Formats: sequence, structure tokens, C-alpha cells
Amino acid sequence: AQSVTQPDIHITVSEGASLELRCNYSYGATPYLFWYVQSPGQGLQLLLKYFSGDTLVQGIKGFEAEFKRSQSSFNLRKPSVHWSDAAEYFCAVSRGGGADGLTFGKGTHLIIQP
Amino acid sequence: NAGVMQNPRHLVRRRGQEARLRCSPMKGHSHVYWYRQLPEEGLKFMVYLQKENIIDESGMPKERFSAEFPKEGPSILRIQQVVRGDSAAYFCASSPRTDGTEAFFGQGTRLTVV
Repeated sequence: AQSVTQPDIHITVSEGASLELRCNYSYGATPYLFWYVQSPGQGLQLLLKYFSGDTLVQGIKGFEAEFKRSQSSFNLRKPSVHWSDAAEYFCAVSRGGGADGLTFGKGTHLIIQP
Repeated sequence: NAGVMQNPRHLVRRRGQEARLRCSPMKGHSHVYWYRQLPEEGLKFMVYLQKENIIDESGMPKERFSAEFPKEGPSILRIQQVVRGDSAAYFCASSPRTDGTEAFFGQGTRLTVV
């Protein structure tokens, strides 16, 4: 069965600093990979996704992620965070076949210090 | 084109009552997924439905939970005889694609069982 690990439960970053959120997955083949953001009391918004091709993926709000097959990782990055980036971030994988939906990590809570 | 609509946003039920959660997918989307999010946890897949069909309910508890997506109207997640442990946020996602890779999430229904 596929699984997703987000090793960092909380991360605190100063506004303007760079950010990297870690995500490791376990899956027999190359899965479809996603990063979602959830603001308090809200639903999930898709930041970016990787299906195939270029391993560096650009998303919305200035985020990017890099797929590294050798490390089974799909880390999310942003060069300079803004206070509005404070939220919960979820990494997810899918087999792409529709059934059993997305498998999510437990999330990383991002705190932005002024 | 409105997004995925879930209602109610908040639902309070006493133990033993029934909870009905509704999800109206985006226009043109015929694939619906339900997820449950417990406090401090990521989202867990519950069920995947297409119009009038349950495709995969492997994540759904065997008892008290049921889901439907009728030909007309919203998808319904029904929880009978609710218990405290059912308190969670329930999210619906819809997709226009069979492989579910273009999933859009609603804002969720927060169920509290008292």
C-alpha cells in the first residue's frame, strides 16, 4: 500500500526567509504527487502536482517542488515566504487510477515569524 | 462555475442521531470522493463514487456509514447513530477525470457529536 511521510509536524520560518517542506512517499511505481494547502477552517487548495516529465514543478503562489525518484521525495520549496503562507501543508500521492483517491501525509503546520 | 459546495459547514449531533452531509460537485464533474480528517491528522480516503455507483468504499467503516451519488442532486454521506469518535471534518472532492487527478475540494463539513 502506498504511504506518505511528512517528517516535520511544525516548521517556523521568518518572513522573507526560504522554505522547504519535506515529503517522502512509499510506492512501487512512480505515483502522481500533489501538494495541497489548507488555511484554518477551510478546504484544501492544490498548489502543484507532478505526473511525469520535468521533475521540477512550478505551482501557484510562488511554490515549486522537485521530484527525486532516488530519494522517493517530493519536497516543496519557496524562496521567500510571506505571512499569508502560514497554513497547513499536505503532501499526497495517487495511483492515478481514480479508485482509492489520494493518500495524504499528516501535514506540516507552517508558522511565519515577523 | 461555482466550486465544490458542501453543506452544512458545521453540524452538531447528539450521540445516536443521524448525520447527513451533502456535497454538490463542480459542474461537469461526475466523480466524487469523500475524505475524513481527524484532529491533527491528514485526510483519509473514505469512498469514491460516480453517478449512481459506488466505485470504491474501501475506506468507509463497515457499519453506520453509507454514501450515495444519485443521478440528480448532491452526493450524500450518511452516518447513522453517531458516536463521539465520528467528530471530524468531512471533505468532499470532485473530479472531471476518471483517474481523479484533477480533484477540487469543498470547504468541508465539521461534525461535532455531543
